Amino acid sequence: GESVGLHLPTLSVQEGDNSIINCAYSNSASDYFIWYKQESGKGPQFIIDIRSNMDKRQGQRVTVLLNKTVKHLSLQIAATQPGDSAVYFCATGGSQGNLIFGKGTKLSVKP
Amino acid sequence: DAMVIQNPRYQVTQFGKPVTLSCSQTLNHNVMYWYQQKSSQAPKLLFHYYDKDFNNEADTPDNFQSRRPNTSFCFLDIRSPGLGDAAMYLCATSRQGLGDQPQHFGDGTRLSIL
Repeated sequence: GESVGLHLPTLSVQEGDNSIINCAYSNSASDYFIWYKQESGKGPQFIIDIRSNMDKRQGQRVTVLLNKTVKHLSLQIAATQPGDSAVYFCATGGSQGNLIFGKGTKLSVKP
Repeated sequence: DAMVIQNPRYQVTQFGKPVTLSCSQTLNHNVMYWYQQKSSQAPKLLFHYYDKDFNNEADTPDNFQSRRPNTSFCFLDIRSPGLGDAAMYLCATSRQGLGDQPQHFGDGTRLSIL
């Protein structure tokens, strides 16, 4: 079946450094990809999305890179801040029209 | 400016006692979703409404039901909660379509079963 997986369940970075969170997906027909941030006790918050006709999209301090050849997605956070500490989920559009979520990476930012 | 509002934030019920969780939205989105999220796991889709059309996921237990009386409100009913139903329940909306646009989530209701 379709799956979305994250490479690392946890990531620890120093404040001010850049963070990179990776995600792999299985469905080569996926054409929509999205990153969510979930803080403790809150719902997932939309960060950035990208469609398959693009390979890079930038937001405020965040960049999403899409490599369709190897079915890989990454989220880069520039100058990571303590407020970036959260669990990050990637998700992709499934063949049934739903969103398929990856397992999540917990980002911890050290002061 | 909360757009997807879930009430209550915390709900405690007894084993086997029916419970209803509520969700409202101010986005006027056509699609509303209910997810179950257990600790350290990704959200798991239970069902969704596309306007008034109800769509159940194949592996959602019969114990879980939903109602959408109008565009703004959606309810999750758990008829006979078991200990395994303790989780965070998330409501989400999207404008239309599925899997090709952002879903907007509420902050969830954390359900505990005594």
